[in-house]
Amino acid sequence: QVQLVESGGGVVQPGRSLRLSCAASGFTFSSYGMHWVRQAPGKGLEWVAVISYGGDNKDYADSVKGRFTISRDNSKNTLYLQMNSLRAEDTAVYSCAKERSLYSSSSPFDYWGQGTLVTVSP
Amino acid sequence: EIVMTQSPATLSVSPGERATLSCRASQSVSSNLAWYQQKPGQAPRLLIYGASTRATGIPARFSGSGSGTEFTLTISSLQSEDFAVYYCQQYNNWPPYTFGPGTKLEIK
Repeated sequence: QVQLVESGGGVVQPGRSLRLSCAASGFTFSSYGMHWVRQAPGKGLEWVAVISYGGDNKDYADSVKGRFTISRDNSKNTLYLQMNSLRAEDTAVYSCAKERSLYSSSSPFDYWGQGTLVTVSP
Repeated sequence: EIVMTQSPATLSVSPGERATLSCRASQSVSSNLAWYQQKPGQAPRLLIYGASTRATGIPARFSGSGSGTEFTLTISSLQSEDFAVYYCQQYNNWPPYTFGPGTKLEIK
């Protein structure tokens, strides 16, 4: 079955960096676009970034553009999120999510990981 | 950016009754609209995509309707496990993929 397992969260000071990973299994990782979505404590869902199945195309929310970088290693079935210049408002649970449709980014997200908590605090 | 709104923010319904949740987009998203269910401490679960197609394994009591800018999620005969927060999401015009603020469905 499809599994998405995030790691790399923790407590970090403002201005520092953190790299999140999402290990995927149970499907052909290299055939699907992948996303990062975050949820601040007690708040709703906020889309963060998307990467195409091959890794060539990437897009970001305005709130993280220029600070976060999404990437993937299809040989390792792993998705990454490099987060630089972190701010207090980046504090959230970060989850990876798989697109439902093959080779398409106009698709809902059919599987989500449980998420990893990132806390940005002095 | 397409802004998604949901109403009501909180809906109190008794088990066995019907719940109707609304979602509105600031501009047309065609039928590229999904609904997700999220329970405390859990990841969101895809319920409906394409505005009206149930995802794999979703019970028939969940149904979606609408197109363009107005959408509805209906849950007939509420079960105890249905009390959760429900989000709509558009995937028509991106980036960004925008979510609504959610509707909390609580037991009356």
